[in-house]
Amino acid sequence: AQSVTQPDIHITVSEGASLELRCNYSYGATPYLFWYVQSPGQGLQLLLKYFSGDTLVQGIKGFEAEFKRSQSSFNLRKPSVHWSDAAEYFCAVGAGFQKLVFGTGTRLLVSP
Amino acid sequence: DVKVTQSSRYLVKRTGEKVFLECVQDMDHENMFWYRQDPGLGLRLIYFSYDVKMKEKGDIPEGYSVSREKKERFSLILESASTNQTSMYLCASSFSRGAGPNEQFFGPGTRLTVL
Repeated sequence: AQSVTQPDIHITVSEGASLELRCNYSYGATPYLFWYVQSPGQGLQLLLKYFSGDTLVQGIKGFEAEFKRSQSSFNLRKPSVHWSDAAEYFCAVGAGFQKLVFGTGTRLLVSP
Repeated sequence: DVKVTQSSRYLVKRTGEKVFLECVQDMDHENMFWYRQDPGLGLRLIYFSYDVKMKEKGDIPEGYSVSREKKERFSLILESASTNQTSMYLCASSFSRGAGPNEQFFGPGTRLTVL
């Protein structure tokens, strides 16, 4: 069965520093991969997605992610974090017809 | 913009009550989903509907049922609420296009407390 692992429960980054959030997936074929962000008290918003093609995917808010098949990873990156990026981030993988399996999330804290 | 709305942001109910959570989407999406979100557990799928009157159990359907009488509306029902159903409930919708799963659009969530 498909699964997603986000090994970091919390990450603290200084404002202006770079960010990398880790995501590892388990899936036999070429996966459909997503990153979502959830601001406090809100629903989830899509940051970016990967279906095929270029393994470096650009998303909204300056985020990007790189699909690495050999490592079964889809890590999210941002070169310079802003205080407004503090939120919870979820990685997800396609799991059969139209369903997604989500990771347990990584909470990002941004220090001044 | 796609909009997914949920009937309540916060709800407080008593143990044993029947609870209805409503979700409406305005983009003519075929698929609708109900998740519950708990700290440290991420999002877990309760039920999924791929068409009117069609439903499929997710990973944690016990204690829940759903109804989809119209394409734009998907209801989650707690037949007899229990304290372990205190949680954040998220509704989502998506198109059925292409070979794989599409982006899901989420509502703001309903935080349900069962006393």
